[in-house]
Amino acid sequence: DAKTTQPPSMDCAEGRAANLPCNHSTISGNEYVYWYRQIHSQGPQYIIHGLKNNETNEMASLIITEDRKSSTLILPHATLRDTAVYYCIVRVAEGNTGGFKTIFGAGTRLFVKA
Amino acid sequence: DARVTQTPRHKVTEMGQEVTMRCQPILGHNTVFWYRQTMMQGLELLAYFRNRAPLDDSGMPKDRFSAEMPDATLATLKIQPSEPRDSAVYFCASGLVQGGTQYFGPGTRLLVL
Repeated sequence: DAKTTQPPSMDCAEGRAANLPCNHSTISGNEYVYWYRQIHSQGPQYIIHGLKNNETNEMASLIITEDRKSSTLILPHATLRDTAVYYCIVRVAEGNTGGFKTIFGAGTRLFVKA
Repeated sequence: DARVTQTPRHKVTEMGQEVTMRCQPILGHNTVFWYRQTMMQGLELLAYFRNRAPLDDSGMPKDRFSAEMPDATLATLKIQPSEPRDSAVYFCASGLVQGGTQYFGPGTRLLVL
């Protein structure tokens, strides 16, 4: 199973870009990188995902290196409400069942400071 | 705005009692996941279903936990008998196989005394 490595915590000033790194050096060619975040006492929230190309949506941008061994989630203008735990996940295909097991690591705790 | 709903939101019970947690996935979603979150272990996958069929429940303690989907609009997670170490937040998530994105409910906060 491909696993991810993230720094345990990061700080970011309000209004600045938050760049959250993730290493997934054992990722397979057909596995996607997903990002979720969890604000205190709430359920995890989907942010963005990608396979090879960089992706952008209304919440964030995802930059995936050419070798796909690492990625960076970018929150372009962080606000206090972006303070949360951010999870980088590689979606694992589960054998012949067609199911997809999702393994959450410890994530990165992002503190956005005024 | 479609959402996953979970009931109850909070549950306090005594050791040995049966606990049933319910989840209503987003209409049309064909995968359902149950997770448990504790400070020590983080988010753990307990079980997941595709088209109501259980695909993997290897994360669940088999002797006391059971997960079912009696119909497409209801998923249940039962603990019998409950133990203090089961105290945690239990999340349900749903999604589409084709999409892969999971949408999480607000969770059930369980405290077993």
